[in-house]
Amino acid sequence: DVKVTQSSRYLVKRTGEKVFLECVQDMDHENMFWYRQDPGLGLRLIYFSYDVKMKEKGDIPEGYSVSREKKERFSLILESASTNQTSMYLCASTSGGSSTEAFFGQGTRLTVV
Amino acid sequence: AQSVAQPEDQVNVAEGNPLTVKCTYSVSGNPYLFWYVQYPNRGLQFLLKYITGDNLVKGSYGFEAEFNKSQTSFHLKKPSALVSDSALYFCAVRDGPNSGYALNFGKGTSLLVTP
Repeated sequence: DVKVTQSSRYLVKRTGEKVFLECVQDMDHENMFWYRQDPGLGLRLIYFSYDVKMKEKGDIPEGYSVSREKKERFSLILESASTNQTSMYLCASTSGGSSTEAFFGQGTRLTVV
Repeated sequence: AQSVAQPEDQVNVAEGNPLTVKCTYSVSGNPYLFWYVQYPNRGLQFLLKYITGDNLVKGSYGFEAEFNKSQTSFHLKKPSALVSDSALYFCAVRDGPNSGYALNFGKGTSLLVTP
């Protein structure tokens, strides 16, 4: 059974903290993605990576960075958490082909207080 | 950029009745279209996709979707709704290689099936 695993289901952090969200996939997928989900806005792409050590900005990268040191792991970093980053964060992966579906982790609900 | 729109925030259906969740797309070229479902506080689960071929695509849990090129639509359907189908449904279109083939999502439609 294919899997994308996010390290935390729920997180509560304080404003100004550095926050790490971890994502691991076991499907040997090349492409990995971080989205945030907010009510009424759907899913918005923060960053993506198509190879180890490669990263590209998505639609809303401000306030975030990412790291991909190994193929199976893609980390999202909030350099200095702010209350407007309170959201559901979803990690996804897909193989290189354009016709393949993406597989999602269970999500991390982050609250910044 | 490739995009999709879901015109309904919420759809209400009685159990046993057919359901339709609407999606329209705007793309250059041939679209690769997807439907996902999300249960409360969970990630997204893949339901079905249209890449090419038959306009009627069958997927998981009895769902199907009809690709209509002339109307630029990809509506999700099920002949007989279950209470357990109540969830948030997302339509998505695959973007190009410059975004790593990311999925661009609609805003989601909340489906409520009442007993």
